[in-house]
Amino acid sequence: AQTVTQSQPEMSVQEAETVTLSCTYDTSESDYYLFWYKQPPSRQMILVIRQEAYKQQNATENRFSVNFQKAAKSFSLKISDSQLGDAAMYFCAQPNFGNEKLTFGTGTRLTIIP
Amino acid sequence: DTEVTQTPKHLVMGMTNKKSLKCEQHMGHRAMYWYKQKAKKPPELMFVYSYEKLSINESVPSRFSPECPNSSLLNLHLHALQPEDSALYLCASSQDTSGGALSGELFFGEGSRLTVL
Repeated sequence: AQTVTQSQPEMSVQEAETVTLSCTYDTSESDYYLFWYKQPPSRQMILVIRQEAYKQQNATENRFSVNFQKAAKSFSLKISDSQLGDAAMYFCAQPNFGNEKLTFGTGTRLTIIP
Repeated sequence: DTEVTQTPKHLVMGMTNKKSLKCEQHMGHRAMYWYKQKAKKPPELMFVYSYEKLSINESVPSRFSPECPNSSLLNLHLHALQPEDSALYLCASSQDTSGGALSGELFFGEGSRLTVL
């Protein structure tokens, strides 16, 4: 069974600073996808960024980027220039091979300090 | 239109009540999902419908009964629930999952917060 581990239950960062959220995963597949989802308080969960395992280049979406280390099975999310609107639960997720199931990590609650 | 709409937003029901949660999307997505989320926990998959057919049932108790009347609608019928079923119920949709592996984005609704008394 696939596992996704987020070892930081809570993180905080000063506004405008940079923060990195950690995620490790386990899979026997060679080609797969990895996702970071954001769930703000009382608002819907949205996709922040997606990484395809066969791509060497780390994915980037504006202030959000990933550090994908395939050999180490590590997939961390870096948020640059943190903003108050970045406060949320962040879930790392990996699709199960062969079906529509998405395995989520336990989540990291990010607080932005003004 | 990139929305997944869930109703009601809040629901309080007794253990003997029958109620339904509704979900609607108009993005042409052919896979729809029900997730259950407890406070400070990740979403737990309950059911997946792919092309209006139930493709995954994560051993959910029969007091939860899903229904997919058409490609845009997904219902979750609730009957004889227990207090521990109180949670946020999330609906999501995605493009068809040809090849079986989920490679694209899940679009989530805001959820229906259920309280069972």
